[in-house]
Amino acid sequence: EPEVTQTPSHQVTQMGQEVILRCVPISNHLYFYWYRQILGQKVEFLVSFYNNEISEKSEIFDDQFSVERPDGSNFTLKIRSTKLEDSAMYFCASSGSPGAEQYFGPGTRLTVT
Amino acid sequence: AQSVTQLGSHVSVSEGALVLLRCNYSSSVPPYLFWYVQYPNQGLQLLLKYTSAATLVKGINGFEAEFKKSETSFHLTKPSAHMSDAAEYFCAVSEGGTSGTYKYIFGTGTRLKVLA
Repeated sequence: EPEVTQTPSHQVTQMGQEVILRCVPISNHLYFYWYRQILGQKVEFLVSFYNNEISEKSEIFDDQFSVERPDGSNFTLKIRSTKLEDSAMYFCASSGSPGAEQYFGPGTRLTVT
Repeated sequence: AQSVTQLGSHVSVSEGALVLLRCNYSSSVPPYLFWYVQYPNQGLQLLLKYTSAATLVKGINGFEAEFKKSETSFHLTKPSAHMSDAAEYFCAVSEGGTSGTYKYIFGTGTRLKVLA
């Protein structure tokens, strides 16, 4: 069964460093998303991406964040200068059509020290 | 903006007992509603979804949910709890944007504990 994959599973970085979180969505999906879950809190929407551009972004998704689909398979989230409060689990998701269910990856746990 | 409320951040049931996890939503349009389960150190797995077809939706692992428009509810139930059901459960509503894509608005989650 096709699945969304994410790498790395856990990333530890120092405050101020840049990180890139990688995702491989399901191959025939066209809509891509990033969510994050701070420990003990609910899952929050960050950004949606379609047709090689951002469709919608939340207030959390400020200038420190960017997304890219560098090739036909990967979907990346970059945080330019990490802060302590960026520590969270980051989930990538994809869907085949706008209202269809989203399939989530296993997440990348980002720890900023 | 739409919102989702899950009453009870922690629910404990005995093995074999009924599981009832509550979810209420606010939406100005007919919603798409979802239940996801998250096992420890794992991602989100879709349990079931409501997309305006049948109001009683059956999902995986014996779970089902009933959409009640008059109560703006989408509660998750399972007749008989199993130890393997211990996990965190998230209710979500799908919200469309002007761009045509949809994002999920999640509830705060309910951690289910199953007692032997």
